[in-house]
Amino acid sequence: EAGVAQSPRYKIIEKRQSVAFWCNPISGHATLYWYQQILGQGPKLLIQFQNNGVVDDSQLPKDRFSAERLKGVDSTLKIQPAKLEDSAVYLCASSPLRRQGAYEQYFGPGTRLTVT
Amino acid sequence: GESVGLHLPTLSVQEGDNSIINCAYSNSASDYFIWYKQESGKGPQFIIDIRSNMDKRQGQRVTVLLNKTVKHLSLQIAATQPGDSAVYFCAENMNSGYSTLTFGKGTMLLVSP
Repeated sequence: EAGVAQSPRYKIIEKRQSVAFWCNPISGHATLYWYQQILGQGPKLLIQFQNNGVVDDSQLPKDRFSAERLKGVDSTLKIQPAKLEDSAVYLCASSPLRRQGAYEQYFGPGTRLTVT
Repeated sequence: GESVGLHLPTLSVQEGDNSIINCAYSNSASDYFIWYKQESGKGPQFIIDIRSNMDKRQGQRVTVLLNKTVKHLSLQIAATQPGDSAVYFCAENMNSGYSTLTFGKGTMLLVSP
């Protein structure tokens, strides 16, 4: 089974520029997550989709971050404009939709963003 | 100890030793817990999970113990190998109705041959 795919793997931009990340989840997984992981910390959830609807975006800085999941499969996360503190690894994860209860999430390799 | 900024708690062991990594979780209503392993430059990898109606679960070389009284979770790795060197995160689902996970701060495990 193919895992979660992300691109690009690395990105360096200057502050105030824009950047977009792409994620392709595991086939058939209804739920998709975007996390931000700052060096030395655990992943922090930015946004969670169930199919193509948002179920949690409470920690997404909506003035500069946006995400979409068209057709309930691939997703893109955008930052516009970027700030120095956005330097982090952006992880995408997916999980199957179960009838009840939480289940493990499967993570992609991440995109390392450096803002200079 | 507690991690501050870039300073992760670190556990150093010898190859073949048993390792115990501890985690304090925050929400007494959490009903699902999970351990992830993260190697440098990679995404977190699932190790083992446990639901709140259990206090112990075993996998291959790994055991997770859950103590709900003190909100404590531990991961035991038997016969630790150099390939086990990584950062280990615990995460909890705060019974939100969705599979939302809240991650802890992580512990770095260093295994020397």
